[in-house]
Amino acid sequence: GAGVSQSPRYKVAKRGQDVALRCDPISGHVSLFWYQQALGQGPEFLTYFQNEAQLDKSGLPSDRFFAERPEGSVSTLKIQRTQQEDSAVYLCASSLGWIGLIYNEQFFGPGTRLTVL
Amino acid sequence: AQSVTQLDSQVPVFEEAPVELRCNYSSSVSVYLFWYVQYPNQGLQLLLKYLSGSTLVESINGFEAEFNKSQTSFHLRKPSVHISDTAEYFCAVSVTAGNKLTFGGGTRVLVKP
Repeated sequence: GAGVSQSPRYKVAKRGQDVALRCDPISGHVSLFWYQQALGQGPEFLTYFQNEAQLDKSGLPSDRFFAERPEGSVSTLKIQRTQQEDSAVYLCASSLGWIGLIYNEQFFGPGTRLTVL
Repeated sequence: AQSVTQLDSQVPVFEEAPVELRCNYSSSVSVYLFWYVQYPNQGLQLLLKYLSGSTLVESINGFEAEFNKSQTSFHLRKPSVHISDTAEYFCAVSVTAGNKLTFGGGTRVLVKP
């Protein structure tokens, strides 16, 4: 596809369940970001990959959150033992990153809306 | 750490009227500035960006934003809005390392006929 895709688009989980959210970035994009957007708020940074390396995970709210990108393409955000406060839209973005002095924008996927009951 | 404040959570405006969305940021280092737009039921799209050079930047659909370093602001303006501009607008900043974006809380623009 031409853009960033995310699956599932909607996920309902019972409190305590584990969930896995998938992101397919634009082909060739080395940088991949995950953001969390709570209802009525702006997106908040969770974690960043450059190829398969997770260079920044400072935004992950707890050790229940784990992200991986083992082959430098598809990424999965996993949330263990989900809590009600995890309910949010999870956004994935990819970009070519900086090439020389050229900044390449982040392209966002449609998001996965997670509802924890 | 950086932070972004969007002073207005909602802005109702009549069609063909001007609109200004306010954005202020705080940072101890130089930042790059962005406006993203989210149309109903769609993902975030980059509207315009300031990286360096001219402090006035424009988008292809008539929006403009001006970087004011002394006031740490990056307000977004459009002289005449259309119904199709109804959307939520997010101001964001980033520093060089990693390009991660720090977003404001968003401003919902509702254009009325």
